[in-house]
Amino acid sequence: DTAVSQTPKYLVTQMGNDKSIKCEQNLGHDTMYWYKQDSKKFLKIMFSYNNKELIINETVPNRFSPKSPDKAHLNLHINSLELGDSAVYFCASSQALAGGHAGELFFGEGSRLTVL
Amino acid sequence: QQQVKQSPQSLIVQKGGISIINCAYENTAFDYFPWYQQFPGKGPALLIAIRPDVSEKKEGRFTISFNKSAKQFSLHIMDSQPGDSATYFCAARLKAGNTGKLIFGQGTTLQVKP
Repeated sequence: DTAVSQTPKYLVTQMGNDKSIKCEQNLGHDTMYWYKQDSKKFLKIMFSYNNKELIINETVPNRFSPKSPDKAHLNLHINSLELGDSAVYFCASSQALAGGHAGELFFGEGSRLTVL
Repeated sequence: QQQVKQSPQSLIVQKGGISIINCAYENTAFDYFPWYQQFPGKGPALLIAIRPDVSEKKEGRFTISFNKSAKQFSLHIMDSQPGDSATYFCAARLKAGNTGKLIFGQGTTLQVKP
């Protein structure tokens, strides 16, 4: 049973196309995240949702639009893809920080996006 | 300053040796300092974590040392094994707003030679 699952695992597309990555978690967590890992392996947060509400929105081009239909799902849609969008995108989830939880992040296996 | 500086960028250690990775931060608004381990093709996974009111935490061969006054913390891997070869990330969590936002260091690629 995969705790945080992302699809697709690999995505190769042309510049200017639109693509989506889907994420689902079965851990019962109420907070979900998108992180971007660049070619140097640097991990940077992009977005976070808590119970379908956007709570973190970093300085990300508005070509990136997250959507959370329910607290177990968080999708990422990217419009007008650019070469610089090539990266590995990780979905993660955590329990809320209230109630003494440390907020450990559980990551998916990543979606490698290559823009040609 | 929302940065966490990690060094070295890469590290090669002989089997049985000690691996040491260092991190430093500026912002005193961090309240939780985890280390994540990432194997190729996988997502990062929590390895060990510490809160700033504790100076050391040990779990098996992994130890975090925390120096609050110097704003530094480090990961020590004792008796390093080839299976420890991975990328290690330190991180710090901002306590403001209860968002759980983690700031990651740049990562250290560890290779343990047999």
